Amino acid sequence: AQRVTQPEKLLSVFKGAPVELKCNYSYSGSPELFWYVQYSRQRLQLLLRHISRESIKGFTADLNKGETSFHLKKPFAQEEDSAMYYCAHQETSGSRLTFGEGTQLTVNP
Amino acid sequence: DGGITQSPKYLFRKEGQNVTLSCEQNLNHDAMYWYRQDPGQGLRLIYYSQIVNDFQKGDIAEGYSVSREKKESFPLTVTSAQKNPTAFYLCASSRGARVPLHFGNGTRLTVT
Repeated sequence: AQRVTQPEKLLSVFKGAPVELKCNYSYSGSPELFWYVQYSRQRLQLLLRHISRESIKGFTADLNKGETSFHLKKPFAQEEDSAMYYCAHQETSGSRLTFGEGTQLTVNP
Repeated sequence: DGGITQSPKYLFRKEGQNVTLSCEQNLNHDAMYWYRQDPGQGLRLIYYSQIVNDFQKGDIAEGYSVSREKKESFPLTVTSAQKNPTAFYLCASSRGARVPLHFGNGTRLTVT
């Protein structure tokens, strides 16, 4: 069964520092990977997907098939980045989406 | 605010009672999903439906039931067989496979 692992439940950095949220997946096929974000009192929303290869709010994520990872990175964290981040994998054959456990990011002033 | 509406926002029930959570979408999406969100466990898939009148069990379907009689509606019933029903429930929808999901605001269910 496909599995998504986010090893850090909590991550705390200072404003302006680089941040990396780790995500590893286990899937033998061609993965479809996403990062979702949940800000305080807001609904869960898509941050970015690997197929788009774009930067959203300064965040990027590169798919590394050799390491089966899809880490989320931002060179200079901002206080408004504080949120819960979920890595998610969607199977090739259908629409089912599997989420990791989530990482609560706190950016301190 | 179009999109996905979950109601109510908070729900309280006594142990042993069934309860139904509502999820409606006006996005004309074919697929709909129910997730359960617990601290430290992320989101776990309960049921999903890729098309009207069809649905599949997710990873934690025991104690839950769903129906998909209309494209825009996907209600979730938490039955008395669910051993630990107190949780935050999220509904989502998507256009289909390999596309992002759109989420509702969630329903927090408390069973005492």
